[in-house]
Amino acid sequence: DVKVTQSSRYLVKRTGEKVFLECVQDMDHENMFWYRQDPGLGLRLIYFSYDVKMKEKGDIPEGYSVSREKKERFSLILESASTNQTSMYLCASRPSGRALYEQYFGPGTRLTVT
Amino acid sequence: KQEVTQIPAALSVPEGENLVLNCSFTDSAIYNLQWFRQDPGKGLTSLLLIQSSQREQTSGRLNASLDKSSGRSTLYIAASQPGDSATYLCAGRSRGSQGNLIFGKGTKLSVKP
Repeated sequence: DVKVTQSSRYLVKRTGEKVFLECVQDMDHENMFWYRQDPGLGLRLIYFSYDVKMKEKGDIPEGYSVSREKKERFSLILESASTNQTSMYLCASRPSGRALYEQYFGPGTRLTVT
Repeated sequence: KQEVTQIPAALSVPEGENLVLNCSFTDSAIYNLQWFRQDPGKGLTSLLLIQSSQREQTSGRLNASLDKSSGRSTLYIAASQPGDSATYLCAGRSRGSQGNLIFGKGTKLSVKP
């Protein structure tokens, strides 16, 4: 059974703080993703990674960075948190391969920036 | 660029009814389409994956179809139960999306006892 875990279910941070969201998958997947989900806007891709130390910008990378030092771990970093980054953050992973494989999601982190 | 649309945004049905959720996409060069379920405040749970070479997939009371020529997918839920109440999202992967999933905004289903 594929498992994607996220370090926190709920997080409250202050404006200007540096925030780390951690994601770990246990199935040796090459691809990992960070999304944010907001009412009315749906899921939007922030960053993704095809391999260790590789990263690609998604649709809304501004204000975020990522780190992938090990295959199983993908971290999302908010360098200086702002109130408009209050959201649900979802991590996902998927094996390489064009069509064959499902994408699996973690339980989400509800981040509130005050 | 791939766009995915789900209509309606919300649906309420009585328990026991069979129902169909709709998903449409603009890029017919689709690799696959995946249906997810999301409970309030939770992550997404994968329900079914249909590859571009397939026309349908079944899992229990769920059946998903894919028609690339019309740009449509449907999720059929048989004999609905209150426990089926959730938001259902579809997402497609295609060349036009760099191979990444593009999500619809979901249909919120409520099954009333």
